[in-house]
Amino acid sequence: GAVVSQHPSRVICKSGTSVKIECRSLDFQATTMFWYRQFPKQSLMLMATSNEGSKATYEQGVEKDKFLINHASLTLSTLTVTSAHPEDSSFYICSARPPGQGNSPLHFGNGTRLTVT
Amino acid sequence: QKEVEQDPGPLSVPEGAIVSLNCTYSNSAFQYFMWYRQYSRKGPELLMYTYSSGNKEDGRFTAQVDKSSKYISLFIRDSQPSDSATYLCAMSGYGGATNKLIFGTGTLLAVQP
Repeated sequence: GAVVSQHPSRVICKSGTSVKIECRSLDFQATTMFWYRQFPKQSLMLMATSNEGSKATYEQGVEKDKFLINHASLTLSTLTVTSAHPEDSSFYICSARPPGQGNSPLHFGNGTRLTVT
Repeated sequence: QKEVEQDPGPLSVPEGAIVSLNCTYSNSAFQYFMWYRQYSRKGPELLMYTYSSGNKEDGRFTAQVDKSSKYISLFIRDSQPSDSATYLCAMSGYGGATNKLIFGTGTLLAVQP
């Protein structure tokens, strides 16, 4: 159980375009999802906490107007990288935990590798 | 000082060896401790989950937590080439649905056949 699916697995886009990444909880409802970014040979850095039906909470230093998060349903959160630039190239991973288990571990999607040319 | 410190490696061992992976942390509020395994270009996969101090064993894996020393370990017995991956420690305090995990940098392990 607790499967998180992410799509697409990889995307290449041109500088200045926008890219949308989807994160779905397949067998549970998630009022909260987390978006991480991982640069090569580095750990996961939390970007934002996605809250169903309300605004996302962004970590310090993450531009909310650049990384738009929409959590419109209990099973879907989307991250849109707007006006992407080469420095946004990274591995983006979403995660969630089943409801009512605030101290349980997070379950992760398989990530989206974004390359901005 | 980072909240969670982890030696990035790489760590290379022969097949069958016992592997010891470690993390230290500074935040005494951390109560929940996890180890994730991440293969290249994949999302992290949960290996072990422990609460507070003590040991937990699952097959070839043993997780240890020493809260007095703010030190956690993961031991892998009879290591296999398929264990080659990056191992990430993660931890959190008490909290609700928005409870965040703080990750170590990850240790790259290579098990040589």
